[in-house]
Amino acid sequence: GAGVSQSPSNKVTEKGKDVELRCDPISGHTALYWYRQSLGQGLEFLIYFQGNSAPDKSGLPSDRFSAERTGGSVSTLTIQRTQQEDSAVYLCASSQEGATYNEQFFGPGTRLTVL
Amino acid sequence: GQQVMQIPQYQHVQEGEDFTTYCNSSTTLSNIQWYKQRPGGHPVFLIQLVKSGEVKKQKRLTFQFGEAKKNSSLHITATQTTDVGTYFCAGRWGNNRLAFGKGNQVVVIP
Repeated sequence: GAGVSQSPSNKVTEKGKDVELRCDPISGHTALYWYRQSLGQGLEFLIYFQGNSAPDKSGLPSDRFSAERTGGSVSTLTIQRTQQEDSAVYLCASSQEGATYNEQFFGPGTRLTVL
Repeated sequence: GQQVMQIPQYQHVQEGEDFTTYCNSSTTLSNIQWYKQRPGGHPVFLIQLVKSGEVKKQKRLTFQFGEAKKNSSLHITATQTTDVGTYFCAGRWGNNRLAFGKGNQVVVIP
């Protein structure tokens, strides 16, 4: 079946603008994660949605970052008043929590460049 | 929050040689997963270990979970150029969310 998809694949924006990044998880997956990865660096956890529970927002770096997940499916990560240090690849992953193998399936990422 | 530490952070490995990468937690894990990210790609799941002392093999890759479920290792034999990439471990404590280590970036020298 279809994997995790993300759009856009690339986004170039000017400092101060708002951006929205979209993630379509695998159908039926209850958990959805957002990560940020700077060039050559590890995965920085941003936010975690699990079913109807309150999201774990502990990784969001500032109040300029927010995310929502509508209907337990599609998620949007919004970055307001973008800064140059926001430039990175934003990865989304989904998993079926509670299953024996609850591995995360990653999307291809959105490469964000803030000029 | 709880985290897993990976060592080393970087490795240069001669083609044909073996190498090991390690993942450590200060507290007992429920399970641990390993992922590989090729250059320019996204992380891809390799394996999950759940049981104390568990050992699993995938061709040239051997994964181990420590007896105390606080550490894990990935050992690759006869390294090939296709082994280049970053290897991440990700740990879970209880029913908490999965937490990734910072990764071990592997460069293969032909």
